[in-house]
Amino acid sequence: AQKVTQAQTEISVVEKEDVTLDCVYETRDTTYYLFWYKQPPSGELVFLIRRNSFDEQNEISGRYSWNFQKSTSSFNFTITASQVVDSAVYFCALMDGNFNKFYFGSGTKLNVKP
Amino acid sequence: GAVVSQHPSWVICKSGTSVKIECRSLDFQATTMFWYRQFPKQSLMLMATSNEGSKATYEQGVEKDKFLINHASLTLSTLTVTSAHPEDSSFYICSARAERIHSYNEQFFGPGTRLTVL
Repeated sequence: AQKVTQAQTEISVVEKEDVTLDCVYETRDTTYYLFWYKQPPSGELVFLIRRNSFDEQNEISGRYSWNFQKSTSSFNFTITASQVVDSAVYFCALMDGNFNKFYFGSGTKLNVKP
Repeated sequence: GAVVSQHPSWVICKSGTSVKIECRSLDFQATTMFWYRQFPKQSLMLMATSNEGSKATYEQGVEKDKFLINHASLTLSTLTVTSAHPEDSSFYICSARAERIHSYNEQFFGPGTRLTVL
């Protein structure tokens, strides 16, 4: 069974603080894809990153970085020097290797206060 | 490229009426589209998989007679909420699977449709 767990329901930080959003997944597939999406109040999902199960290399994109560890089935997302514009709900998601369904976590609401 | 649109972006209707939501892939063909529902402060839940030229596949617990899906062409899927009731009020999001635009069949999400049933 596929499952994504985002244990942090809501996080509040003050601007310029670093924040890490946790994501733990479960799957029996050997090939799968992991994603992070940002959902601002408008509702539209904004794609942030995709990782396949064979690529454990961490990635950095500006203030964003991702730590993928298969040993702990985790795919954590860190925002460095957070900004108010980062306030949104962030979803971690898993897709099976056949490119069929997305399995979304419950989301983490990030509040960045000025 | 790889843009997915939804129409309308929001709709308010009276209880008992039917509402049609369109999902279009604007610059690619999508033999498969997906419909998700998101209740306030909750996650996205897959409702059904829409396949061009064939019947949709519904997830467990989703009433296929209430949520009619028609994938009439390679760029259009529609979701009709029949006899809508207030409990159907939700944010409906579609995604379209692009056949091998990159090295795999990436999915692209539409902007969502907010349905409010009075």
